[in-house]
Amino acid sequence: SQTIHQWPATLVQPVGSPLSLECTVEGTSNPNLYWYRQAAGRGLQLLFYSVGIGQISSEVPQNLSASRPQDRQFILSSKKLLLSDSGFYLCASQTTTGRDTQYFGPGTRLTVL
Amino acid sequence: AQSVTQLGSHVSVSEGALVLLRCNYSSSVPPYLFWYVQYPNQGLQLLLKYTSAATLVKGINGFEAEFKKSETSFHLTKPSAHMSDAAEYFCAVSGLSGGYNKLIFGAGTRLAVHP
Repeated sequence: SQTIHQWPATLVQPVGSPLSLECTVEGTSNPNLYWYRQAAGRGLQLLFYSVGIGQISSEVPQNLSASRPQDRQFILSSKKLLLSDSGFYLCASQTTTGRDTQYFGPGTRLTVL
Repeated sequence: AQSVTQLGSHVSVSEGALVLLRCNYSSSVPPYLFWYVQYPNQGLQLLLKYTSAATLVKGINGFEAEFKKSETSFHLTKPSAHMSDAAEYFCAVSGLSGGYNKLIFGAGTRLAVHP
């Protein structure tokens, strides 16, 4: 089965600072990878997805970007954080077999002050 | 297009009582449906999924859900609530879009279990 690692687990950053969140996957090859954000009191919002190395699709225009430098590595970045970037960020992985289950990592809690 | 509606953002039950969390979906293709559970400050854990096989799906921790096409529903139930069931529950529908699997989540239902 798949195991998804995310770090850091928690992060407190000032407004205007850069951001890098990392997600790595074990137990599968060539997965579809996803970044979600969960803001306080709101549901899950899909931010980015990737079907392969270097292939990134954005769901929502925003202050964030994503990259996939290796098959099982997915990175979420920002050059300058906004207060509204605060939230709980979740990485998910899915084997590329049609509508298979998405498995989630433990998440990163980001607080922007 | 797919969508999910979870009725009731908060549900409170007594320990030992029936748990019923409601989910209605909309899908232009035969749906795959999922229930996930999220404990505080943790990721989402798959409870169960429906993939067009048996309409009554059994999951982990004693939960089950029944797919009712005529009602476009996929409600989650558990006969007897336990204190450890207190968490947030998300219903999701899956559909192929542009060759990838896109999960559409409901807004979530927070379940409280009191003694």
